[in-house]
Amino acid sequence: NAGVTQTPKFQVLKTGQSMTLQCAQDMNHEYMSWYRQDPGMGLRLIHYSVGAGITDQGEVPNGYNVSRSTTEDFPLRLLSAAPSQTSVYFCASRAFWYGYTFGSGTRLTVV
Amino acid sequence: KNEVEQSPQNLTAQEGEFITINCSYSVGISALHWLQQHPGGGIVSLFMLSSGKKKHGRLIATINIQEKHSSLHITASHPRDSAVYICAGNYGGSQGNLIFGKGTKLSVKP
Repeated sequence: NAGVTQTPKFQVLKTGQSMTLQCAQDMNHEYMSWYRQDPGMGLRLIHYSVGAGITDQGEVPNGYNVSRSTTEDFPLRLLSAAPSQTSVYFCASRAFWYGYTFGSGTRLTVV
Repeated sequence: KNEVEQSPQNLTAQEGEFITINCSYSVGISALHWLQQHPGGGIVSLFMLSSGKKKHGRLIATINIQEKHSSLHITASHPRDSAVYICAGNYGGSQGNLIFGKGTKLSVKP
Protein backbone atom coordinates (compact mmCIF):
# COMPACT_ATOMS: atom_id res chain seq x y z
CA ASN A 1 0.00 0.00 0.00
CA ALA A 2 1.29 3.47 -0.88
CA GLY A 3 2.10 5.68 2.06
CA VAL A 4 4.57 6.45 4.81
CA THR A 5 5.74 3.58 7.00
CA GLN A 6 7.18 4.28 10.42
CA THR A 7 8.79 1.75 12.71
CA PRO A 8 8.67 0.94 15.54
CA LYS A 9 5.22 1.95 16.82
CA PHE A 10 6.30 1.87 20.47
CA GLN A 11 9.72 2.02 22.11
CA VAL A 12 11.05 2.33 25.64
CA LEU A 13 14.66 3.48 26.03
CA LYS A 14 16.91 4.01 28.97
CA THR A 15 18.60 7.39 29.40
CA GLY A 16 21.79 7.49 27.34
CA GLN A 17 20.80 4.78 24.89
CA SER A 18 20.75 5.49 21.17
CA MET A 19 18.24 4.34 18.60
CA THR A 20 16.99 4.99 15.10
CA LEU A 21 13.37 5.63 14.14
CA GLN A 22 12.75 4.40 10.63
CA CYS A 23 10.65 6.18 8.00
CA ALA A 24 10.06 5.01 4.45
CA GLN A 25 7.75 6.23 1.68
CA ASP A 26 6.95 4.68 -1.67
CA MET A 27 5.34 7.70 -3.38
CA ASN A 28 8.60 9.17 -4.78
CA HIS A 29 8.07 12.34 -2.72
CA GLU A 30 10.96 14.78 -2.68
CA TYR A 31 10.18 16.23 0.74
CA MET A 32 10.33 14.28 4.01
CA SER A 33 10.22 15.51 7.57
CA TRP A 34 10.16 14.50 11.23
CA TYR A 35 7.97 16.01 13.95
CA ARG A 36 7.45 15.50 17.63
CA GLN A 37 4.13 15.99 19.39
CA ASP A 38 3.99 16.88 23.05
CA PRO A 39 0.94 17.72 25.20
CA GLY A 40 0.35 21.48 25.27
CA MET A 41 3.07 22.11 22.68
CA GLY A 42 1.48 20.72 19.57
CA LEU A 43 3.53 19.40 16.67
CA ARG A 44 7.04 20.73 16.13
CA LEU A 45 9.40 20.18 13.21
CA ILE A 46 12.67 18.42 14.08
CA HIS A 47 14.47 17.98 10.74
CA TYR A 48 13.45 17.95 7.11
CA SER A 49 14.85 17.01 3.70
CA VAL A 50 13.99 18.38 0.26
CA GLY A 51 15.71 15.52 -1.58
CA ALA A 52 18.34 12.81 -1.33
CA GLY A 53 21.54 14.19 0.17
CA ILE A 54 19.88 17.40 1.45
CA THR A 55 18.74 17.89 5.04
CA ASP A 56 18.04 20.91 7.23
CA GLN A 57 17.07 21.69 10.80
CA GLY A 58 13.60 22.54 11.98
CA GLU A 59 12.42 24.12 15.20
CA VAL A 60 13.75 21.53 17.68
CA PRO A 61 16.78 19.71 16.16
CA ASN A 62 18.99 19.29 19.22
CA GLY A 63 19.66 15.68 20.20
CA TYR A 64 18.58 14.30 16.83
CA ASN A 65 20.45 13.41 13.68
CA VAL A 66 19.15 12.66 10.17
CA SER A 67 20.47 11.65 6.78
CA ARG A 68 18.81 11.08 3.40
CA SER A 69 20.78 8.67 1.26
CA THR A 70 17.77 7.62 -0.85
CA THR A 71 14.49 9.25 -1.88
CA GLU A 72 12.54 6.56 0.00
CA ASP A 73 14.16 6.58 3.45
CA PHE A 74 14.61 9.26 6.11
CA PRO A 75 15.73 7.78 9.45
CA LEU A 76 15.83 9.81 12.66
CA ARG A 77 18.63 9.00 15.09
CA LEU A 78 18.58 9.75 18.79
CA LEU A 79 22.22 9.96 19.77
CA SER A 80 21.90 9.75 23.57
CA ALA A 81 18.29 9.55 24.71
CA ALA A 82 17.06 11.87 27.44
CA PRO A 83 13.72 11.91 29.31
CA SER A 84 12.93 15.21 27.54
CA GLN A 85 12.76 13.23 24.28
CA THR A 86 9.76 11.26 25.53
CA SER A 87 7.18 12.12 22.88
CA VAL A 88 5.18 10.89 19.93
CA TYR A 89 7.16 11.14 16.71
CA PHE A 90 5.65 11.49 13.25
CA CYS A 91 7.31 11.24 9.88
CA ALA A 92 5.70 12.85 6.82
CA SER A 93 6.38 13.19 3.13
CA ARG A 94 5.06 15.55 0.52
CA ALA A 95 5.13 16.07 -3.23
CA PHE A 96 5.80 19.68 -4.20
CA TRP A 97 2.27 20.96 -4.84
CA TYR A 98 0.37 18.63 -2.53
CA GLY A 99 -0.37 18.16 1.13
CA TYR A 100 1.47 15.98 3.57
CA THR A 101 1.17 12.23 4.06
CA PHE A 102 1.91 11.24 7.66
CA GLY A 103 3.13 7.98 9.12
CA SER A 104 1.20 6.38 11.97
CA GLY A 105 3.60 7.63 14.63
CA THR A 106 6.09 6.22 17.14
CA ARG A 107 5.41 6.55 20.85
CA LEU A 108 8.80 6.84 22.57
CA THR A 109 9.35 6.74 26.31
CA VAL A 110 12.77 7.47 27.79
CA VAL A 111 13.20 6.34 31.39
CA LYS B 1 8.73 34.96 15.33
CA ASN B 2 6.62 32.95 12.91
CA GLU B 3 3.41 31.93 14.62
CA VAL B 4 0.17 30.14 13.89
CA GLU B 5 -2.73 30.61 16.30
CA GLN B 6 -6.00 28.71 16.32
CA SER B 7 -9.34 29.28 17.97
CA PRO B 8 -11.22 27.95 19.70
CA GLN B 9 -9.06 25.47 21.60
CA ASN B 10 -12.06 23.24 22.33
CA LEU B 11 -15.41 23.06 20.59
CA THR B 12 -18.50 21.00 21.38
CA ALA B 13 -21.33 20.86 18.86
CA GLN B 14 -24.59 19.01 18.33
CA GLU B 15 -24.90 16.76 15.32
CA GLY B 16 -25.98 18.76 12.28
CA GLU B 17 -24.50 22.07 13.38
CA PHE B 18 -22.32 24.25 11.16
CA ILE B 19 -18.81 24.49 12.60
CA THR B 20 -16.07 27.06 12.06
CA ILE B 21 -12.47 26.81 13.25
CA ASN B 22 -10.22 29.82 12.82
CA CYS B 23 -6.50 30.17 12.17
CA SER B 24 -4.37 33.33 12.17
CA TYR B 25 -0.76 33.48 11.10
CA SER B 26 2.11 35.93 10.96
CA VAL B 27 3.66 37.21 7.78
CA GLY B 28 5.47 35.19 5.21
CA ILE B 29 3.69 31.88 4.79
CA SER B 30 3.70 30.34 1.33
CA ALA B 31 1.03 27.71 2.01
CA LEU B 32 -1.50 26.96 4.74
CA HIS B 33 -2.46 23.42 5.68
CA TRP B 34 -5.40 21.97 7.55
CA LEU B 35 -4.85 18.59 9.19
CA GLN B 36 -7.14 16.22 11.08
CA GLN B 37 -5.86 14.05 13.93
CA HIS B 38 -8.13 11.17 14.84
CA PRO B 39 -8.66 10.02 18.44
CA GLY B 40 -6.36 7.06 17.66
CA GLY B 41 -3.54 9.50 16.82
CA GLY B 42 -3.30 9.26 13.04
CA ILE B 43 -2.90 12.53 11.11
CA VAL B 44 -4.56 13.18 7.76
CA SER B 45 -4.01 16.15 5.48
CA LEU B 46 -7.34 17.83 4.62
CA PHE B 47 -6.39 20.90 2.59
CA MET B 48 -3.43 22.86 1.31
CA LEU B 49 -4.22 26.49 0.47
CA SER B 50 -2.30 29.40 -0.90
CA SER B 51 -5.34 31.47 -1.92
CA GLY B 52 -9.12 31.36 -2.16
CA LYS B 53 -11.29 28.47 -1.13
CA LYS B 54 -11.34 24.68 -1.39
CA LYS B 55 -14.16 22.22 -0.77
CA HIS B 56 -14.13 18.50 -0.14
CA GLY B 57 -17.41 16.89 0.79
CA ARG B 58 -18.75 18.66 3.89
CA LEU B 59 -15.46 20.42 4.54
CA ILE B 60 -14.64 23.91 3.26
CA ALA B 61 -11.39 25.78 3.79
CA THR B 62 -10.85 29.45 3.02
CA ILE B 63 -7.88 31.76 3.25
CA ASN B 64 -7.67 35.57 3.27
CA ILE B 65 -4.11 36.55 2.45
CA GLN B 66 -4.55 40.24 3.33
CA GLU B 67 -5.99 39.47 6.76
CA LYS B 68 -3.59 36.52 7.34
CA HIS B 69 -6.52 34.35 8.32
CA SER B 70 -7.91 30.98 7.36
CA SER B 71 -11.08 29.17 8.36
CA LEU B 72 -12.14 25.55 8.26
CA HIS B 73 -15.89 24.99 8.04
CA ILE B 74 -17.75 21.73 8.57
CA THR B 75 -21.34 21.63 7.32
CA ALA B 76 -23.91 19.22 8.79
CA SER B 77 -21.49 18.00 11.45
CA HIS B 78 -21.51 14.34 12.48
CA PRO B 79 -20.06 12.49 15.49
CA ARG B 80 -17.44 10.95 13.17
CA ASP B 81 -16.07 14.49 12.65
CA SER B 82 -14.89 14.44 16.28
CA ALA B 83 -11.12 14.92 16.10
CA VAL B 84 -8.39 17.50 16.61
CA TYR B 85 -8.08 19.93 13.69
CA ILE B 86 -4.67 21.49 13.20
CA CYS B 87 -3.68 24.49 11.13
CA ALA B 88 -0.08 24.77 9.92
CA GLY B 89 1.85 27.24 7.76
CA ASN B 90 4.87 26.79 5.51
CA TYR B 91 7.46 29.48 6.21
CA GLY B 92 10.57 30.04 4.15
CA GLY B 93 9.19 28.70 0.90
CA SER B 94 6.66 26.01 0.11
CA GLN B 95 9.04 23.26 1.15
CA GLY B 96 10.29 25.03 4.21
CA ASN B 97 9.59 24.96 7.88
CA LEU B 98 6.08 23.94 8.88
CA ILE B 99 4.81 25.77 11.96
CA PHE B 100 1.73 24.32 13.64
CA GLY B 101 -1.11 25.76 15.62
CA LYS B 102 -1.93 23.95 18.87
CA GLY B 103 -5.07 22.41 17.44
CA THR B 104 -8.81 22.61 18.02
CA LYS B 105 -10.42 19.63 19.72
CA LEU B 106 -13.88 19.12 18.23
CA SER B 107 -16.50 16.92 19.84
CA VAL B 108 -19.79 16.41 17.99
CA LYS B 109 -22.59 14.96 20.13
CA PRO B 110 -25.37 12.87 18.60
